[in-house]
Amino acid sequence: QVQLQESGPGLVKPSETLSLTCAVSAYSISSGYYWGWIRQPPGQGLEWIGIIYHSGNTYYNPSLKSRVTISVDTSKNQFSLKLSSVTAADTAVYYCARLGVGAYYFDHWGQGTLVTVSS
Amino acid sequence: EIVLTQSPGTLSLSPGERATLSCRASQSVSSSYLAWYQQKPGQAPRLLIYGASSRATGIPDRFSGSGSGTDFTLTISRLEPEDFAVYYCQQYGSSLYSFGQGTKLEIK
Repeated sequence: QVQLQESGPGLVKPSETLSLTCAVSAYSISSGYYWGWIRQPPGQGLEWIGIIYHSGNTYYNPSLKSRVTISVDTSKNQFSLKLSSVTAADTAVYYCARLGVGAYYFDHWGQGTLVTVSS
Repeated sequence: EIVLTQSPGTLSLSPGERATLSCRASQSVSSSYLAWYQQKPGQAPRLLIYGASSRATGIPDRFSGSGSGTDFTLTISRLEPEDFAVYYCQQYGSSLYSFGQGTKLEIK
């Protein structure tokens, strides 16, 4: 059973860059599937951020595209999220997830990590 | 961008009752590309249904999905206490993904 675990700072200052990593276990990223990031502001719904394939192909939410970079490190079996120029509106629980066959739904999720943007 | 609108916002029912949750898309969605998730407080979402009507691994058969085009439905035939949660629909199209705003299913 594939497992995903997010890690990174829980507090980021406004205008700085949010950086998170998702470690994958029990499955090799190099073997296939797309991998993604989704976030959820406190008390609100889910927002898709972007996805990446092991080859490095990426697709981003147009509303965040100018600030988002998702990368993959197959040697460490992990992928990462960078979100630049953050504001309080970026405060959220950030989830990493694997996309299922066909890459149109998210079938395995990490537990999520809360990132607060505050000075 | 396809916008998904879920209704009702909150549904109050009792255990044993039938729940019907709606997800309406602003444009036609391929049935293959519509999924449903369950989220309990403090937990990550859990995939319930993909391809509009296929149950994910380990999902009880009291959960069923249906619909096509712009109108999709998640039905829970007989509510169990553990089913009270927030439910989200999600679509994929043109390399973009979006979620509905959620329906909260609460105990009456």
